Amino acid sequence: RKEVEQDPGPFNVPEGATVAFNCTYSNSASQSFFWYRQDCRKEPKLLMSVYSSGNEDGRFTAQLNRASQYISLLIRDSKLSDSATYLCVVIPISGGYQKVTFGTGTKLQVIP
Amino acid sequence: NAGVMQNPRHLVRRRGQEARLRCSPMKGHSHVYWYRQLPEEGLKFMVYLQKENIIDESGMPKERFSAEFPKEGPSILRIQQVVRGDSAAYFCASSPSRSQSKGYGYTFGSGTRLTVV
Repeated sequence: RKEVEQDPGPFNVPEGATVAFNCTYSNSASQSFFWYRQDCRKEPKLLMSVYSSGNEDGRFTAQLNRASQYISLLIRDSKLSDSATYLCVVIPISGGYQKVTFGTGTKLQVIP
Repeated sequence: NAGVMQNPRHLVRRRGQEARLRCSPMKGHSHVYWYRQLPEEGLKFMVYLQKENIIDESGMPKERFSAEFPKEGPSILRIQQVVRGDSAAYFCASSPSRSQSKGYGYTFGSGTRLTVV
């Protein structure tokens, strides 16, 4: 099983729709989680951290389910500008330093 | 406060040549990470360095690839005798010290796109 797995998509959704992505991880000792966004041919940028209690930033909601070992990202009222690839990031505690593992990303295409 | 600086942005090399990719971390960041992204694929970890030390190189190919982060100057990812399969985007990221990076995440440079012809 891969350390971090994501559905590659693409998810094609109309403007205004709600869309959700999941990301599963295999290391139960994982401690920190993030969602990054990567636009075509650009560098990944931090979208939001994922906290155990769940967190919201405008139209974006991130949640963590430790029991089932997955994190989720919910986007409400999708905009054309949300079209991008969304990468989940998992940081375990390993060997005294933090080796960050990226998922391969889920591609979102918001359609007019 | 400049972000993570990578240069060159684009690099074209002929097969068999050497490629040198540079990464200057954000001010105050002492940890540097290199990732490779092949076309239409995800980010793959290559190497993690602190000043003058390689901490984890488990993602580096065993041959032709090397990385350093000297006491002075940028981190360098060096690829010797490049082949077509090395064509990819190479991203560098930096973070503050480990204790400060919890919950912080990375800052990425804009990448170097290597094309081997």
